[in-house]
Amino acid sequence: QSALTQPASVSGSPGQSITISCTGTSSDVGAYNYVSWYQYHPGKAPKVMIYEVSNRPSGVPDRFSGSKSGNTASLTISGLQAEDEADYYCSSFTTTNTYVFGTGTKVTVL
Amino acid sequence: QVQLQESGPGLVKPSETLSLTCTVSGASISSYYWIWIRQPAGKGLEWIGRIYASGSTNYNPSLKSRVTMSVDTSKNQFSLKLSSVTAADTAVYYCAREITSGYYYFDYWGQGTLVTVSS
Repeated sequence: QSALTQPASVSGSPGQSITISCTGTSSDVGAYNYVSWYQYHPGKAPKVMIYEVSNRPSGVPDRFSGSKSGNTASLTISGLQAEDEADYYCSSFTTTNTYVFGTGTKVTVL
Repeated sequence: QVQLQESGPGLVKPSETLSLTCTVSGASISSYYWIWIRQPAGKGLEWIGRIYASGSTNYNPSLKSRVTMSVDTSKNQFSLKLSSVTAADTAVYYCAREITSGYYYFDYWGQGTLVTVSS
């Protein structure tokens, strides 16, 4: 299984909105609505920000939102804040009962 | 409060077997899938595999021939063995809990442990 494709980097100014794409195949992203997104600060444990394409766990700010169309999922951060600067990874459950992560996106707040 | 803690040698010689254990507190290991994930330096996250309390497993196809996972419900622990390691297996290894029941994501993670493969 190949890693899901994400842009290497995305940047934005405070208050702006950014979107990170996550492209897979009909065997993973396109197969189910089991796409999740993780925020990762080096040296810390990853934190789930979105699950099941568009659901936010308790405690995650509502400026984080997710969507999916076909084989591509997206994470949008609205009202970008300095604390949102981190690496972001998508993940998808697959038709072979495994998981695959995205290649990761570094978000920079200008 | 669910907590996971990885433990094991930080240095493994090439061709030997990497062994890690994840100790779970605050939750019973009997009711979830438990996951191993790794991140090589400068690279992305890689899902290694998962194990249920019953012993049922699923592994990453690219690692399947070298991976063995096990669970010890009496100690609330699960373990990873990766055989015939090379420098490419040098990474930070994380254990995590998988939420299934229709959701399929990882809600609790350990802090990670660095394993270096070197002679």
